[in-house]
Amino acid sequence: NAGVTQTPKFRVLKTGQSMTLLCAQDMNHEYMYWYRQDPGMGLRLIHYSVGEGTTAKGEVPDGYNVSRLKKQNFLLGLESAAPSQTSVYFCASSYNGGERLQETQYFGPGTRLLVL
Amino acid sequence: RKEVEQDPGPFNVPEGATVAFNCTYSNSASQSFFWYRQDCRKEPKLLMSVYSSGNEDGRFTAQLNRASQYISLLIRDSKLSDSATYLCVVLQTGGFKTIFGAGTRLFVKA
Repeated sequence: NAGVTQTPKFRVLKTGQSMTLLCAQDMNHEYMYWYRQDPGMGLRLIHYSVGEGTTAKGEVPDGYNVSRLKKQNFLLGLESAAPSQTSVYFCASSYNGGERLQETQYFGPGTRLLVL
Repeated sequence: RKEVEQDPGPFNVPEGATVAFNCTYSNSASQSFFWYRQDCRKEPKLLMSVYSSGNEDGRFTAQLNRASQYISLLIRDSKLSDSATYLCVVLQTGGFKTIFGAGTRLFVKA
């Protein structure tokens, strides 16, 4: 049981390049999330998904796209990377919150992205 | 004003000390509250949920004051291994607006 995994762990991009970050979870969780974490700021939600085939915007969605073609995978894409997207990206997953809102989010180890 | 505010610290305390962190939130519709712990260059991990009646887990005690809109975390008998950043997390009505505080750094020294 690997929990939540992310690939790659680290990446350097040039401005304008594109890339996809992959998140995978083996806990059969319905909900998945992508966050970014910047110094001095809390984690900010980029996009999230409540199930296979569904996605929704979070707090800071601009410049990112996501897809959830399989329940266990949640992909985050950067179509044209900008220096402002230099950050640490965390994926998380949780059970179907429903009425049980106090569901723990389990995080992946993070992807460090540097955009030059 | 940030929706969830924490004192960034750092808090430098000796082993065995008691240390308390506070967190304030601005949206009275906030529904669920948590403390997460994040070690340097690692992912956040749930430390404990915070219940209205207050709750305790070993050396850790969490309190919620809805009237004043703040959450607290008390760590007793600090250990070197408690050194980390503690994140206050607020889940707002609707389930998907999860707001993370920027975190409070704690250093426990021998």
